[in-house]
Amino acid sequence: KAGVTQTPRYLIKTRGQQVTLSCSPISGHRSVSWYQQTPGQGLQFLFEYFSETQRNKGNFPGRFSGRQFSNSRSEMNVSTLELGDSALYLCASSLGLAGGEQFFGPGTRLTVL
Amino acid sequence: EDQVTQSPEALRLQEGESSSLNCSYTVSGLRGLFWYRQDPGKGPEFLFTLYSAGEEKEKERLKATLTKKESFLHITAPKPEDSATYLCAVPSEGDSWGKLQFGAGTQVVVTP
Repeated sequence: KAGVTQTPRYLIKTRGQQVTLSCSPISGHRSVSWYQQTPGQGLQFLFEYFSETQRNKGNFPGRFSGRQFSNSRSEMNVSTLELGDSALYLCASSLGLAGGEQFFGPGTRLTVL
Repeated sequence: EDQVTQSPEALRLQEGESSSLNCSYTVSGLRGLFWYRQDPGKGPEFLFTLYSAGEEKEKERLKATLTKKESFLHITAPKPEDSATYLCAVPSEGDSWGKLQFGAGTQVVVTP
């Protein structure tokens, strides 16, 4: 069974630009969560989607947004990039809403110059 | 707010030298606790889920245990390939488990 895939794996952008990251969950998984990982803050929750609905949102500014499609694939978008947005963005999928473990993708390394 | 604290921050072990990592949490009504392993530049790899105090899970040289206030990850006779950052996480309050609160991790280095 294929794992969680994320594209692109690496991305370099400049301040003020916007970026879209993509995540394909494990087949059959309907819940997708996004996390930001930085050396200083560790892993921080961004948002969670289930059946195309945002279920939870973390404490990030409105520049961070996401969506989920009917096939459970998810995208996240960051507009007006700032230097501090440089991070490893991780997507995780799980079968349903409750009780199960999340499986992570390899992440997208975003560098903002 | 829920808190997850891991100790020590870093651990350097000789091959074969067993040790334990700690994960303490302040979550009312713990529903579960996860352990992950993360190699540099990669996504976390799922290791264990523990649901209730007294539960234990094992996988190769790793054994995870859970009490009402903390969890331990025991590494028995580690090998260099066990070098990684070990993360614990708990689901935040609410009906879904998709919002995980992570600890800062314990970086383990095992030398030959």
